[in-house]
Amino acid sequence: NAGVTQTPKFRILKIGQSMTLQCTQDMNHNYMYWYRQDPGMGLKLIYYSVGAGITDKGEVPNGYNVSRSTTEDFPLRLELAAPSQTSVYFCASSYETSSYEQYFGPGTRLTVT
Amino acid sequence: GNSVTQMEGPVTLSEEAFLTINCTYTATGYPSLFWYVQYPGEGLQLLLKATKADDKGSNKGFEATYRKETTSFHLEKGSVQVSDSAVYFCALSGGATNKLIFGTGTLLAVQP
Repeated sequence: NAGVTQTPKFRILKIGQSMTLQCTQDMNHNYMYWYRQDPGMGLKLIYYSVGAGITDKGEVPNGYNVSRSTTEDFPLRLELAAPSQTSVYFCASSYETSSYEQYFGPGTRLTVT
Repeated sequence: GNSVTQMEGPVTLSEEAFLTINCTYTATGYPSLFWYVQYPGEGLQLLLKATKADDKGSNKGFEATYRKETTSFHLEKGSVQVSDSAVYFCALSGGATNKLIFGTGTLLAVQP
């Protein structure tokens, strides 16, 4: 049971390039989330999904897209990278229960220059 | 809207000192409350949680009590260790989509 895995661990992009951050969970969780963590700012929710085929925007969705074709995978797409997207990105998942506990991946550190 | 406020860091303590990290919240309804810990270079891990008023969450010597009257969920530990050095996040949740609202995090540095 690997939990939540994310790839890559690190990436440097040039302005205007695109990339996909991968996230996979093997716990059969319905709910999945993408957060970004900026220094001193806590975590901000980018997008979330309550099941395969269903996604919705969080607090800071601009510049990102997501898809959820399977229960296991929830990739995050950056189409035109900007320096403001330099951050650490975390994927998380949870059961559909009343306890709301989320399980986090190890993160992807992205730098846009 | 819902929000979480936690004390700013860094908090620097000597080993075996008593720890308190303050957390207060604003929320409608009856949210669940959490403390997550992030060790250097890692993702967040759930440390403890409380799902209703007066519940006490505890784990690894850490405790926090859900106080509805003061809208608080302060984290405490009686004797910290160097290995407790990390960033601690207070969070709340509520609603049908399990979304979490995080505080800004408090860096704890424990010196030997």
